[in-house]
Amino acid sequence: GAVVSQHPSRVICKSGTSVKIECRSLDFQATTMFWYRQFPKQSLMLMATSNEGSKATYEQGVEKDKFLINHASLTLSTLTVTSAHPEDSSFYICSAWTDPAGNSPLHFGNGTRLTVT
Amino acid sequence: AQRVTQPEKLLSVFKGAPVELKCNYSYSGSPELFWYVQHSRQRLQLLLRHISRESIKGFTADLNKGETSFHLKKPFAQEEDSAMYYCALRGSNYKLTFGKGTLLTVNP
Repeated sequence: GAVVSQHPSRVICKSGTSVKIECRSLDFQATTMFWYRQFPKQSLMLMATSNEGSKATYEQGVEKDKFLINHASLTLSTLTVTSAHPEDSSFYICSAWTDPAGNSPLHFGNGTRLTVT
Repeated sequence: AQRVTQPEKLLSVFKGAPVELKCNYSYSGSPELFWYVQHSRQRLQLLLRHISRESIKGFTADLNKGETSFHLKKPFAQEEDSAMYYCALRGSNYKLTFGKGTLLTVNP
């Protein structure tokens, strides 16, 4: 069964508005979650590492003011796309290790398809 | 820096034929390699990881440190194997870096 739940699965918003995507770990605590972006027929690109109780770590080229990450609890990380534009339309996927020491595989949410009109 | 290369974007084989999806990596430390599979409209799922050395759905992959490769193989492809396959590397910082993926199509 799914161990990482992502919501919503699909969202359409108007240009200039903000959208929040939630990622929850089910039945385990995730001190670290990862946010990926996937363009059509392309690979997953790591955007940022979400750390519970501290600031997220962003990958090079990812605007931290555009993609706000909040990891307020051990089971919830949120990604907010601020002032969304059509070029932000993409598939966003979160993931987490069930075992932070690395003895488990990385589990993925079902993804959120964002369309900005 | 860690990098994963999957040289084939598309791979098409006939049912029953052997299949090999190539993966090469670049990493200065001791890597951990994974293969993930994504069927149409489904989430990414772990297929196998090199440290477990197990075979899943007939797929195997051997880590070759000399050639820095982790190719995925299956002796007899099935139609249900048609999917997107991603090779991934995890470094010491627990970040997972993905290759660009190979779309496997198994024809009847």
